[in-house]
Amino acid sequence: SQTIHQWPATLVQPVGSPLSLECTVEGTSNPNLYWYRQAAGRGLQLLFYSVGIGQISSEVPQNLSASRPQDRQFILSSKKLLLSDSGFYLCAWSLPGRQYFGPGTRLTVT
Amino acid sequence: GQQLNQSPQSMFIQEGEDVSMNCTSSSIFNTWLWYKQDPGEGPVLLIALYKAGELTSNGRLTAQFGITRKDSFLNISASIPSDVGIYFCAGPDSGGSNYKLTFGKGTLLTVNP
Repeated sequence: SQTIHQWPATLVQPVGSPLSLECTVEGTSNPNLYWYRQAAGRGLQLLFYSVGIGQISSEVPQNLSASRPQDRQFILSSKKLLLSDSGFYLCAWSLPGRQYFGPGTRLTVT
Repeated sequence: GQQLNQSPQSMFIQEGEDVSMNCTSSSIFNTWLWYKQDPGEGPVLLIALYKAGELTSNGRLTAQFGITRKDSFLNISASIPSDVGIYFCAGPDSGGSNYKLTFGKGTLLTVNP
């Protein structure tokens, strides 16, 4: 069966510091991968998605970036965090027409 | 782009009551998905619907794919405290990649013991 992992689970970072969030998927090959952000208002905002190694599509212009160095690894990064980057970050993988989410990372920028 | 409108935005009910929520769209969807998100966790897929008129159950949960393909309903019978959370509807985005989903803004359910 497929499993998706995210780490860290929680993170508190000062404004201007770098960020690296990691997501890995087990039990499937060449999955489509996604990064979402969920603010306190609870809607899910798609940030990036990837259909293969090195292939990244950005949905929302911002100071975040994503990379996919390996088939089942998806990384969300920032060089300098802003207060507005605080939120709950979710990674997901998909089968056609449906997505499965990881446990999430709670990021607080202070 | 496509939009999904969920209602109600929030519900406060007593344990044991039945719950009904819905999701509507101005455009046609060929798949309807219902997710539940527990506080502090990632959304979990509850039910997937693939055919207009389809009625599918998962325990105390029942979801229906509207005949017009523009709506879907989720019902929870005999609610319990662990039903608390945010319920999202979603469907495949028709405007781009086949693997992108459009999500509703969610229905927040609170169950009073």
